[in-house]
Amino acid sequence: AQKITQTQPGMFVQEKEAVTLDCTYDTSDPSYGLFWYKQPSSGEMIFLIYQGSYDQQNATEGRYSLNFQKARKSANLVISASQLGDSAMYFCAMRELRAGGYQKVTFGTGTKLQVIP
Amino acid sequence: ETGVTQSPTHLIKTRGQQVTLRCSSQSGHNTVSWYQQALGQGPQFIFQYYREEENGRGNFPPRFSGLQFPNYSSELNVNALELDDSALYLCASSFGTDRDVLTFGAGSRLTVL
Repeated sequence: AQKITQTQPGMFVQEKEAVTLDCTYDTSDPSYGLFWYKQPSSGEMIFLIYQGSYDQQNATEGRYSLNFQKARKSANLVISASQLGDSAMYFCAMRELRAGGYQKVTFGTGTKLQVIP
Repeated sequence: ETGVTQSPTHLIKTRGQQVTLRCSSQSGHNTVSWYQQALGQGPQFIFQYYREEENGRGNFPPRFSGLQFPNYSSELNVNALELDDSALYLCASSFGTDRDVLTFGAGSRLTVL
């Protein structure tokens, strides 16, 4: 089974509008972390937002918020007031603790967001 | 503080050759992990180093190997290159703690002909 599922290969959004990028995950660990990264065409992965599995409140970072629904195992990214510079690939990722003490991070296949002027 | 730097940014090799990719971690970070990102895919975990020891590995064959040095910089070595090894190789460093964030470099784009 896929650990991280992003069902939207591509999305379009009008500038200044809000957009939601979907992410579902699968784990049996009680403790895990969820991330969203942005990857522009330059290739560098840019951290956007983090949610811990025990966090009571949904994470927010400026225009980014994470809609965390633990029972449904979903961690959707909401971008408010889209800007042209938001056009990029967006990856959802999950961190789980593994034997040996290392923290394995698994990425989804990504969603390509294009912001239209 | 400096971020994560990777070298070279681009390189071209032929099948059967060997390649070494380098990564300087962010200041203060003691954990380095490497990822392979094929075109149109998400990054795939190769392995992680913590204090110069490999402490985690993904589903990659032994011809993918690495090192971490006392200053926490790292190398990824790939022997007997195959066409499918063509990808963007991303290095990420972190403190290795529970709520830690991976800080990525810009990657090394490898093309195998």
